[in-house]
Amino acid sequence: AQSVSQHNHHVILSEAASLELGCNYSYGGTVNLFWYVQYPGQHLQLLLKYFSGDPLVKGIKGFEAEFIKSKFSFNLRKPSVQWSDTAEYFCAVNFKAGNNRKLIWGLGTSLAVNP
Amino acid sequence: NAGVTQTPKFRVLKTGQSMTLLCAQDMNHEYMYWYRQDPGMGLRLIHYSVGEGTTAKGEVPDGYNVSRLKKQNFLLGLESAAPSQTSVYFCASSFAPTVYNEQFFGPGTRLTVL
Repeated sequence: AQSVSQHNHHVILSEAASLELGCNYSYGGTVNLFWYVQYPGQHLQLLLKYFSGDPLVKGIKGFEAEFIKSKFSFNLRKPSVQWSDTAEYFCAVNFKAGNNRKLIWGLGTSLAVNP
Repeated sequence: NAGVTQTPKFRVLKTGQSMTLLCAQDMNHEYMYWYRQDPGMGLRLIHYSVGEGTTAKGEVPDGYNVSRLKKQNFLLGLESAAPSQTSVYFCASSFAPTVYNEQFFGPGTRLTVL
């Protein structure tokens, strides 16, 4: 069965540190990949997405992600985090399931950035 | 545009009570979704709709019913609330199946069932 795993459940960083959040999926076919962010007390919003083309995708607020097909991964990166990046980050992968598409969410990674 | 709105924002119910959560979107999206979010379990799809008058079961549909009488509204009903339904509920909408488009989320409804 298709699945999405986010390796880090809780991450604590100091401001200016670099960030990499892992996302792996299990599925051999074509996928579409998303990273969403949920700031404290707010709704989920899209950070970035990958459908095709350049595997390095740039999103809002200085985030980027790289799709590595051979590793079934879509890791989120930011070179220098800020206190305002404190949030929960969700990876989601869209798989083909029969005649339908199915979106599966990772469990999320909670990021706390200390000033 | 207001985007996706949800009412109420907070609610406390006693076991066995019923309630309806309302989701409204003003983006003319065809698809709408109801999720629940629980600590350590991520987002789980309850029900979804691919257009006015249609509904379908998601991953965790038991104990919930939905209706999509108007394209812009998607209602989630709890007929007899249980403590296991204590959660944060998010509504989302999208232009089309998520294969090509992102989902837009509402602010959430925090429900506590005592």
